[in-house]
Amino acid sequence: QLQLQESGPRLVKPSETLSLTCTASGGSISSSSYYWGWIRQPPGKGLEYIGSIYYSGSTYYNLSLKSRVTISVDTSKNQFSLKVNSVTAADTAVYYCARRSAYDYYMDVWGEGTTVTVSS
Amino acid sequence: QSVLTQPPSVSGAPGQRVTISCTGSSSNIGAPSDVHWYQQLPGIAPKLLIYGNSNRPSGVPDRFSGSKSGTSASLAITGLQAEDEADYYCQSYDISLSTVFGTGTKVTVL
Repeated sequence: QLQLQESGPRLVKPSETLSLTCTASGGSISSSSYYWGWIRQPPGKGLEYIGSIYYSGSTYYNLSLKSRVTISVDTSKNQFSLKVNSVTAADTAVYYCARRSAYDYYMDVWGEGTTVTVSS
Repeated sequence: QSVLTQPPSVSGAPGQRVTISCTGSSSNIGAPSDVHWYQQLPGIAPKLLIYGNSNRPSGVPDRFSGSKSGTSASLAITGLQAEDEADYYCQSYDISLSTVFGTGTKVTVL
């Protein structure tokens, strides 16, 4: 059964770049049936879609974040990654990686999430 | 600021039926785009509850059901149980914005 695990620094300074990696186990991210996505949830708030990537490298981004976000994929390592540039305190959140259906837009497998705090 | 609006909270006694609405527009639910629902227990990652408006993934009890009409969708929980106390989010695709989530609804079991 597919499992996803987020990893990366938990504390990032303002104006720097937030970098996270999601590692898949128990399944391949090279499947043609899925995209691989990132979602975040600020403390006490709702879910916000960040973007997703296909194994070929095709991407979808939340337009409100697109200028600061890059999602990439490394099929050899069964991983995909997220970078958010020029972070501020507003980027403090729990970041989740998830598997997204390629035919519809629902996320059926989620990582446990990792808390990233932006602070000096 | 989400384009899908949900009531902040709903509550019900054990055994009762509660519904959660998700109101969108012609650029998302009414486009038409499918609606999906997630359950998030405190401190836990969201779990897919309903996909494609009304389909339940394997393992989700049939107490949970979804429907869609026009620019709105609903999630119903029948036979409410204490373990259903959680936050619930709808999700759809907006032709202008990409994937969007609802504002979220907290379900309280009285």
